[in-house]
Amino acid sequence: ETGVTQTPRHLVMGMTNKKSLKCEQHLGHNAMYWYKQSAKKPLELMFVYSLEERVENNSVPSRFSPECPNSSHLFLHLHTLQPEDSALYLCASSQLSGRPDNEQFFGPGTRLTVL
Amino acid sequence: AQSVAQPEDQVNVAEGNPLTVKCTYSVSGNPYLFWYVQYPNRGLQFLLKYITGDNLVKGSYGFEAEFNKSQTSFHLKKPSALVSDSALYFCAVRDMGAGNMLTFGGGTRLMVKP
Repeated sequence: ETGVTQTPRHLVMGMTNKKSLKCEQHLGHNAMYWYKQSAKKPLELMFVYSLEERVENNSVPSRFSPECPNSSHLFLHLHTLQPEDSALYLCASSQLSGRPDNEQFFGPGTRLTVL
Repeated sequence: AQSVAQPEDQVNVAEGNPLTVKCTYSVSGNPYLFWYVQYPNRGLQFLLKYITGDNLVKGSYGFEAEFNKSQTSFHLKKPSALVSDSALYFCAVRDMGAGNMLTFGGGTRLMVKP
């Protein structure tokens, strides 16, 4: 296992529910990412946080709301989701140091099913 | 804009045979290239990367990749496939002009049969 953990691993929710995904990295990194992976599309970058500030938001619907309270934790708050939001949500972290060769480390993902 | 293409959705190989998973890229500057592997119900694991220097890069689990600038390719290879290599493989590129953002290919499923 990598130094990035995600909870829960599986989540089933109705369209009117509110839930949150949690990610924690134990690697001392200063950047964290949310990706969506679905059967129809390759990995889609959703959000990037660098030093706890959001630096990227790839036109993600407002029903997804990220939160990064510190450099080790990242949340994805979910509300009024649609069935097409069912996917594997992956969290990753990396060290931003001005060098482009630092790889990202991924968590195991949360498998989300929206009914 | 940077992009990555993995032309094969699936590659089938017999155990013990060599394998190749193809990747081509497009960037505006010098490419920084990565391969990741994803096993079922797991996140992505880093395999190897090309930054500069030797065009043949060696990585984890006996994998290697060959950088070819003229063909803008970065194919993943292994001399002798194992059944346990069966997984989803992603190629990714980072462009110096794109900060720390990685662009991933669509993934190639490798099936190694006994």
